[in-house]
This record gives sequence, structure tokens and C-alpha cells, in this order.
Amino acid sequence: NAGVTQTPKFQVLKTGQSMTLQCAQDMNHNSMYWYRQDPGMGLRLIYYSASEGTTDKGEVPNGYNVSRLNKREFSLRLESAAPSQTSVYFCASSEAGYGYGYTFGSGTRLTVV
Amino acid sequence: AQKITQTQPGMFVQEKEAVTLDCTYDTSDPSYGLFWYKQPSSGEMIFLIYQGSYDQQNATEGRYSLNFQKARKSANLVISASQLGDSAMYFCAMREGWGDNQGGKLIFGQGTELSVKP
Repeated sequence: NAGVTQTPKFQVLKTGQSMTLQCAQDMNHNSMYWYRQDPGMGLRLIYYSASEGTTDKGEVPNGYNVSRLNKREFSLRLESAAPSQTSVYFCASSEAGYGYGYTFGSGTRLTVV
Repeated sequence: AQKITQTQPGMFVQEKEAVTLDCTYDTSDPSYGLFWYKQPSSGEMIFLIYQGSYDQQNATEGRYSLNFQKARKSANLVISASQLGDSAMYFCAMREGWGDNQGGKLIFGQGTELSVKP
């Protein structure tokens, strides 16, 4: 099925460990995004990539890095996980232009202990 | 800076009744899009409805309609004939135009949790 695929779906990390969240889309979208969702705060943008080869910070980038590997793939890396990074992470992709919404992946529930 | 506000953290509605979820926004860009997403307990984000800033008529999609009042900067979601399966978190979101084809990022409100009572 066409869409956005995120892996893994669940992950438990110990404080200080690193991990990479993978995201791939097969809709030929130029733009890709990483959000985190915390209770009562909606979805907040971590990083985004407007096109292949470019990445930019969003609202809450501290503690994260990203890589736009190619047009399809956009990964999010936590170098040294902290309990404050316990959250649900969503990857999304879209066409360019304000008339287009995003297609979201199914999310990754990350717990840092 | 763009901003989305949802002032109702939680709402209850009786099955088969209509319910309105409030959303106000703030932007100085004349070109923007407004979106509503549904997030059931399973966690996925489901697109419901879209309204463009230049659209003259309110958007409708089945039982969903968007009450767009541009002067008041509000974009309320109306769900008619509520069903038990409508129980979920609902997010209002906005994407600015930036004056070019690229478009801005999607900014979300805090969400409203809707519970439908049988």
C-alpha cells in the first residue's frame, strides 16, 4: 500500500543509548517531516526536509539529528537518549504547497528509562 | 507567527447528535490551508477535511463540515450524527503559503478529545 512507513513501532531505550528511527515514503513527495507528540501539546515539529539534500530545524530540534538519505527516506537519530525524549514520534510527507496536507506514518512509541 | 488554538481539551456528545469542535488560528499570510485530523486510540493520524483560505464555500466531507469564518479566524469542525467510532482525539492544523509553491510547515493545535456516549 502506498504511504509512509516508519520503523520501529515501539522502542525502549536506556538513558544515554542511541537509536535511529527510519521513515520511507513511496508517494514521490519532495517534503518530509518528523514530529513528536506529547500529551496536551499536540504535534510539534522536530526537523523537516523540504527537498532531497536539504534539512532544517523545526520547533524542538535539540537532542536530535536527521538525514535525508534520498527522496524516499528520512531518518531521525537520537545520539544520547534522555527521559525527556519519551514520546510518540511521527514521520510525514507531503507535496509542496499550502493546499496539501500531510500523509503520516503509523508512529513510533519511544520510552527512555 | 502562525498559531492554532483549540480551547476544548475534552468534549462529550450523545450518539446521533451533532457536535462542534472549536479551532481559531492566527496568521498574517493571505494564503493558507486549514486541516482537521482524527487520531483514534490506535494512534494513526487520519485526514478528515481541508479548507483553503480563498475558498468561498465551507468544505464538507460526508458527516464532516468545516465552519470557516475568515474574519473571525475560526475553522470549527462540525460532526453530524455522531457515532461511537467518532470517539477520538481531533487536531486542527494550518499550513501557510509563504508566497511561493513550497508552502510552510503544518502547525497543530493541542487537540480536543471527543467522547461519544451511547
